Amino acid sequence: ETGVTQTPRHLVMGMTNKKSLKCEQHLGHNAMYWYKQSAKKPLELMFVYSLEERVENNSVPSRFSPECPNSSHLFLHLHTLQPEDSALYLCASSQIGGANGYTFGSGTRLTVV
Amino acid sequence: ELKVEQNPLFLSMQEGKNYTIYCNYSTTSDRLYWYRQDPGKSLESLFVLLSNGAVKQEGRLMASLDTKARLSTLHITAAVHDLSATYFCAAESGGSEKLVFGKGTKLTVNP
Repeated sequence: ETGVTQTPRHLVMGMTNKKSLKCEQHLGHNAMYWYKQSAKKPLELMFVYSLEERVENNSVPSRFSPECPNSSHLFLHLHTLQPEDSALYLCASSQIGGANGYTFGSGTRLTVV
Repeated sequence: ELKVEQNPLFLSMQEGKNYTIYCNYSTTSDRLYWYRQDPGKSLESLFVLLSNGAVKQEGRLMASLDTKARLSTLHITAAVHDLSATYFCAAESGGSEKLVFGKGTKLTVNP
């Protein structure tokens, strides 16, 4: 496996369900990010983890809960979501101080019913 | 707070024509990135521009950076249908690892 891998690729969940999105990077990067992309607000930054510490939380509702157990893995735990949370969730990684920008995963297409 | 504005947001052009997408950013940033996104897909890195006057070219696309004007351009030469996609520019927020993205330019190249 190379690059940034996200699973699952597609997820349909009810509003009372609990699910988790997973992201894994194989690039040796030390910063990871969650973005939400929807038709209404393209590319909203949700969370930033730098050296496994959360350094940014952009006013994201508590029904989204990130977890970064190590520099290679990032999770987004979901519970009691709303239909407006349906979107493409993108994970990205980067090297702090590097100059190559972000590498994005393929995304998880989430539908809340 | 760094803000990034792209224009146009929508661009429809004929094959064989040339056009330029503009990316303005509001505060000092020495690094500018261009990404491509196909429908339903992730973002693919196209260009990394690291200094004033930087110019990068790949096929029919050429990107440039003017840090004094806080402007980057993505020039399309002799467009082909395969270039149809959404193009994002992103500037690095000074002192942080955060990239701030523009809203994207949806390019449609018609035969």
